[in-house]
Amino acid sequence: DVKVTQSSRYLVKRTGEKVFLECVQDMDHENMFWYRQDPGLGLRLIYFSYDVKMKEKGDIPEGYSVSREKKERFSLILESASTNQTSMYLCASRRPGGYEQYFGPGTRLTVT
Amino acid sequence: AQTVTQSQPEMSVQEAETVTLSCTYDTSESDYYLFWYKQPPSRQMILVIRQEAYKQQNATENRFSVNFQKAAKSFSLKISDSQLGDAAMYFCAYRRSGNTPLVFGKGTRLSVIA
Repeated sequence: DVKVTQSSRYLVKRTGEKVFLECVQDMDHENMFWYRQDPGLGLRLIYFSYDVKMKEKGDIPEGYSVSREKKERFSLILESASTNQTSMYLCASRRPGGYEQYFGPGTRLTVT
Repeated sequence: AQTVTQSQPEMSVQEAETVTLSCTYDTSESDYYLFWYKQPPSRQMILVIRQEAYKQQNATENRFSVNFQKAAKSFSLKISDSQLGDAAMYFCAYRRSGNTPLVFGKGTRLSVIA
């Protein structure tokens, strides 16, 4: 069974804090993705990575950065959290050429 | 840029009845894939069904089937014999061929009435 895990289900941070959201997959997938999910807006792509140390901007990268030092781990970083980054964050992975994209359980982040 | 449109923010269906969720997409590509994902209250995204654009035959997975109209760029999901466990958010998604990310619609919330 493919497993994608995220470090926290719920997270509360203060404005201005640096926030790390961690994602780990155990299927040796090259491709990993970070999405943000908001009511009425669906899932929007923040960043993705096709290999270690590679990253590509998605549709809404502003205010975020990512790190991929190892194939299995893809971290999303909020350099200085703001209240408009309160959202659900979903990580996903997929092998190149694969059809199915596997998702983690999501992290609901609240920035106060 | 590719876009995916789900025009029904909310739908409801009686248990054991059939419901159809709509999805349209915009692309200039000829080779691509379409998907329906389900997100129950647990928040775990689950792949329901996929369709390769080069296949004319509509995909079917048990009670779930699609109506893929390539010329009209339409990809609807039909759920037959609806069950209480089908209640969830449903997302339509598109991906062009190659190593590309999924593009999602805004979702349709399906309620199932007992």
